Amino acid sequence: NAGVMQNPRHLVRRRGQEARLRCSPMKGHSHVYWYRQLPEEGLKFMVYLQKENIIDESGMPKERFSAEFPKEGPSILRIQQVVRGDSAAYFCASSPGRNLGNQPQHFGDGTRLSIL
Amino acid sequence: GESVGLHLPTLSVQEGDNSIINCAYSNSASDYFIWYKQESGKGPQFIIDIRSNMDKRQGQRVTVLLNKTVKHLSLQIAATQPGDSAVYFCAEKGGGGNKLVFGAGTILRVKS
Repeated sequence: NAGVMQNPRHLVRRRGQEARLRCSPMKGHSHVYWYRQLPEEGLKFMVYLQKENIIDESGMPKERFSAEFPKEGPSILRIQQVVRGDSAAYFCASSPGRNLGNQPQHFGDGTRLSIL
Repeated sequence: GESVGLHLPTLSVQEGDNSIINCAYSNSASDYFIWYKQESGKGPQFIIDIRSNMDKRQGQRVTVLLNKTVKHLSLQIAATQPGDSAVYFCAEKGGGGNKLVFGAGTILRVKS
């Protein structure tokens, strides 16, 4: 009965390196969302994906950030050439892909990214 | 622009009392609202949701009220317990999109 799985839980990178964050949605879910949370703030939407498609990337920074959700395997959020301002908690959520009307998004426990 | 905000950043209640957490939203096109609970080091945990065609929904010890006239949402927790201590977020979805817009959060502290 696994929920949304994210790894790693903690990731430390030096400025200029790349960060890769992984998310496996709940079983049966085909919609994936990524959010970013700064300390003592709410979550901010980044990107919404379905299998092999980016549906809404209105919250993604224009440069250095990319996301994918391949046919097989987890969704990946990739941050290239990281800077200190990228330090945050990154949360993934998933929801069913069937047209069931409004359904809650279920979240993983996040990846805490620290940039040295 | 759309936004979701909370009136009280911190709420302290005595164990056993009822808690009420409030939330204001500005996007009149929002048609779905969710309350989440977030404990330290964890992701948001779904508590209860409500669609815009309803004004009240009850769960186990929790009730969500929606007032579309004044764009106000509240979460009521009955007989608050120490395990309810967490940050509570309201979130809205609407305008045809799937993304959630979160409020800043309210810290609930339960005193024993």
